[in-house]
Amino acid sequence: GAVVSQHPSRVICKSGTSVKIECRSLDFQATTMFWYRQFPKQSLMLMATSNEGSKATYEQGVEKDKFLINHASLTLSTLTVTSAHPEDSSFYICSARDLGGGAVNEQFFGPGTRLTVL
Amino acid sequence: GNSVTQMEGPVTLSEEAFLTINCTYTATGYPSLFWYVQYPGEGLQLLLKATKADDKGSNKGFEATYRKETTSFHLEKGSVQVSDSAVYFCALSAVNNAGNMLTFGGGTRLMVKP
Repeated sequence: GAVVSQHPSRVICKSGTSVKIECRSLDFQATTMFWYRQFPKQSLMLMATSNEGSKATYEQGVEKDKFLINHASLTLSTLTVTSAHPEDSSFYICSARDLGGGAVNEQFFGPGTRLTVL
Repeated sequence: GNSVTQMEGPVTLSEEAFLTINCTYTATGYPSLFWYVQYPGEGLQLLLKATKADDKGSNKGFEATYRKETTSFHLEKGSVQVSDSAVYFCALSAVNNAGNMLTFGGGTRLMVKP
């Protein structure tokens, strides 16, 4: 149980285009999902916290107009990188917190999406 | 604020060697502590956790004990295998205004040679 998927796993796009990344909790409901960014050989940096049915909470320094987050249901959150540029190339990882059952403070992570902007 | 400090890598060991990756934390209250493992090109997997002082988390031969007096959660394994090569992240979870948030250490890369 507690499986989180991400789609796509890899995406290559041209500079100036927008890319949408999906994060799904497959076998549980998640009121809260988190989006992280990971640069090569570095730790995870929390970008934003996504709550179902409400606006996301962005960490300091993260542009909310550039990284659009939508959490439309208890099993799906999307991150859209708008007008992508090469510096947005990174590994994006989502996680989800189980609504019921299990440890209240445990997050389950998706496999990540590698974005390359040419 | 909360923070996690873990030893910098890479840590290079021969197969069957003993592994220790140090992790210390700073937090208010009583956090839960975690070790996550990340294999190349993949997301994070929970390796083990401990939710209160003196708890020992264990999984796949890895162990870590929650030491409140030394604010530490060191990861150990008695005999590593090549398949253990990965990046290991120590993390804590504590309640703040936004709920339970994870704070990660910088990660330690482990390379095990046959």
